[in-house]
Amino acid sequence: GDSVTQMEGPVTLSEEAFLTINCTYTATGYPSLFWYVQYPGEGLQLLLKATKADDKGSNKGFEATYRKETTSFHLEKGSVQVSDSAVYFCARLAGNNRKLIWGLGTSLAVNP
Amino acid sequence: GAGVSQSPSNKVTEKGKDVELRCDPISGHTALYWYRQSLGQGLEFLIYFQGNSAPDKSGLPSDRFSAERTGGSVSTLTIQRTQQEDSAVYLCASSRLGEGYTFGSGTRLTVV
Repeated sequence: GDSVTQMEGPVTLSEEAFLTINCTYTATGYPSLFWYVQYPGEGLQLLLKATKADDKGSNKGFEATYRKETTSFHLEKGSVQVSDSAVYFCARLAGNNRKLIWGLGTSLAVNP
Repeated sequence: GAGVSQSPSNKVTEKGKDVELRCDPISGHTALYWYRQSLGQGLEFLIYFQGNSAPDKSGLPSDRFSAERTGGSVSTLTIQRTQQEDSAVYLCASSRLGEGYTFGSGTRLTVV
């Protein structure tokens, strides 16, 4: 069935390091794709999204490109900060455009 | 309102008691979702409401769980005869059809 697979965490980086969190999905067609972030003690927030193939979503220095060839939507940031420490969730819209299908989340810890 | 509002933010209840969790979605969002997030786990889908359609209850873990959405707006999730395994953060989200979700801050339920 349809699914979203994220790299397992936790990911631990030093400040200013390059970040990649892998996300791949299975789907028929080209569903909208999302990255959500959950900061410690807070609710889930939409970080960025892409609605069609080759789109690039970006926000707060994070980017993700919708790659239909590899069915991937990897999250990247060139230089992470301590404040980026959070759990990141990849998600895609279900084929009926109703529910989101979620990855299990990847915990990121950035050390000063 | 400006965001998705959930109440209470925290609830401690004794095993066997019933609890009601409330969600007030963003005005104009026709879709409303309930998820729960247990410690160290991903997001578990519970139930989905879309307009006047019959709700998708496929994620409810047992018949102790039920939810209503009155007038296409406010929703209440009810858990009867709570058990310790029900302890989790219960998240509500709303959206326009086909778009990403906006989440509330959640209700942290602790069953003692």
